[in-house]
Amino acid sequence: KNQVEQSPQSLIILEGKNCTLQCNYTVSPFSNLRWYKQDTGRGPVSLTIMTFSENTKSNGRYTATLDADTKQSSLHITASQLSDSASYICVVSDFGNEKLTFGTGTRLTIIP
Amino acid sequence: EAQVTQNPRYLITVTGKKLTVTCSQNMNHEYMSWYRQDPGLGLRQIYYSMNVEVTDKGDVPEGYKVSRKEKRNFPLILESPSPNQTSLYFCASSLGSGGTGNEQFFGPGTRLTVL
Repeated sequence: KNQVEQSPQSLIILEGKNCTLQCNYTVSPFSNLRWYKQDTGRGPVSLTIMTFSENTKSNGRYTATLDADTKQSSLHITASQLSDSASYICVVSDFGNEKLTFGTGTRLTIIP
Repeated sequence: EAQVTQNPRYLITVTGKKLTVTCSQNMNHEYMSWYRQDPGLGLRQIYYSMNVEVTDKGDVPEGYKVSRKEKRNFPLILESPSPNQTSLYFCASSLGSGGTGNEQFFGPGTRLTVL
């Protein structure tokens, strides 16, 4: 069964600090991996989409990495801001199934 | 503005009273889907549609119906809602399915409470 596991479940950091969120998956055959940001009570918003051949992808202060061999991804947030407080969801797609497998997310809280 | 809209945003109803949650997108996307989000479980797909008149079950389709008569609209129907369908619902659309790598756009969500 395809699974996506994220860690930590929650994280609290000071404004201005960096942090890294982790995602491990067992989806096979792998197609692409996405990171979404979800503000409380709102729909998820796409941050990055990476295919098998991509190791790193950036979107402003967000940098995602992918290791397809170990089936791991990370999302690094640089110089955090209060507006980064949200849930971050890792999503993996496989070939043929036409579906996305969602992680349960990491709840990030930035404190001033 | 490119967007996915859902209505209503909030709904409180009683067991057994049929309801419809509408979803509309203005991006000419072929792929649309419905998800529910529950604490600790993440987003789970209910139904999806590859194109007009083409729909298929997701991971948790029991108790739900959908239709895709027009490309832009994908309503979610609960014929006889039950309390275990209390959840936060999201509609999403994209050019293609998950395997194609197309960005998926989510609506603002509908919070449903079934008493």
